[in-house]
Amino acid sequence: GIQVEQSPPDLILQEGANSTLRCNFSDSVNNLQWFHQNPWGQLINLFYIPSGTKQNGRLSATTVATERYSLLYISSSQTTDSGVYFCAAVTSGSARQLTFGSGTQLTVLP
Amino acid sequence: KAGVTQTPRYLIKTRGQQVTLSCSPISGHRSVSWYQQTPGQGLQFLFEYFSETQRNKGNFPGRFSGRQFSNSRSEMNVSTLELGDSALYLCASSPRGSHRDTNLDTQYFGPGTRLTVL
Repeated sequence: GIQVEQSPPDLILQEGANSTLRCNFSDSVNNLQWFHQNPWGQLINLFYIPSGTKQNGRLSATTVATERYSLLYISSSQTTDSGVYFCAAVTSGSARQLTFGSGTQLTVLP
Repeated sequence: KAGVTQTPRYLIKTRGQQVTLSCSPISGHRSVSWYQQTPGQGLQFLFEYFSETQRNKGNFPGRFSGRQFSNSRSEMNVSTLELGDSALYLCASSPRGSHRDTNLDTQYFGPGTRLTVL
C-alpha cells in the first residue's frame, strides 16, 4: 500500500514565526488531506488538496502530485496552532481509505 | 450543519467484554469510515460503509465489525476485548457515494470515542 511520510516529527517555534511541514507519499493519490488534531483528539480538516495550491487565512498548502509531496505552510504562528498535524492520502482503487502519516508535533511558544 | 457525532465519548471496559460504538454522519453524507488511533500504531483504517454495505476493510481481526443503517448512522463492535484495543476510535463521514467525482471525497471526522480496556 501507499506510504506516507511526514517531516519534521517535531517542531518548536516562537510565536509569530513561519513554518513548513512536509508530506511525502509513495504513490499517485486521488485524495490528500491535511488535518490538525486538537488536544481532545478531534481531527480538524485543514485542506483537501490532491493537487495545486490553496490558502485559508494564515495557512496554505501546496501539493505537487507529479513529485509526490505536499507542503503545509503556517505563517505568523500562534500558540493555538500547537498540536499534531497529519497528512493523509487515498490512492486509486482504495475507495475512501485514508492512509495517515505519523504526524508533526508543533509547539508554538509565547 | 451539525458535524459528525460519536457516542459515547469515553468508555471503560474489561478484557473479554464487548463494546459497541456509534457514529452519526453529517446530514446527507452517505459514507462512514472508522479509524483506530494508538500511540504505537498511529491512525489506522478499520472499515468503510456506504449504503449499508462494507466497501473496504483494513487489516484488523474479525473481532472488529461494523454496520451501517438506512439513515447512514453506523456502529462498530469489538468483541472479546484485549488490552491492546485501548485506543481512540474515530469516525469520519464523506458526502459522495461512487468512485468518481473526487471533489466529494473530503472526509470529516467526529470527536472520537476513547476506549480503555482494563
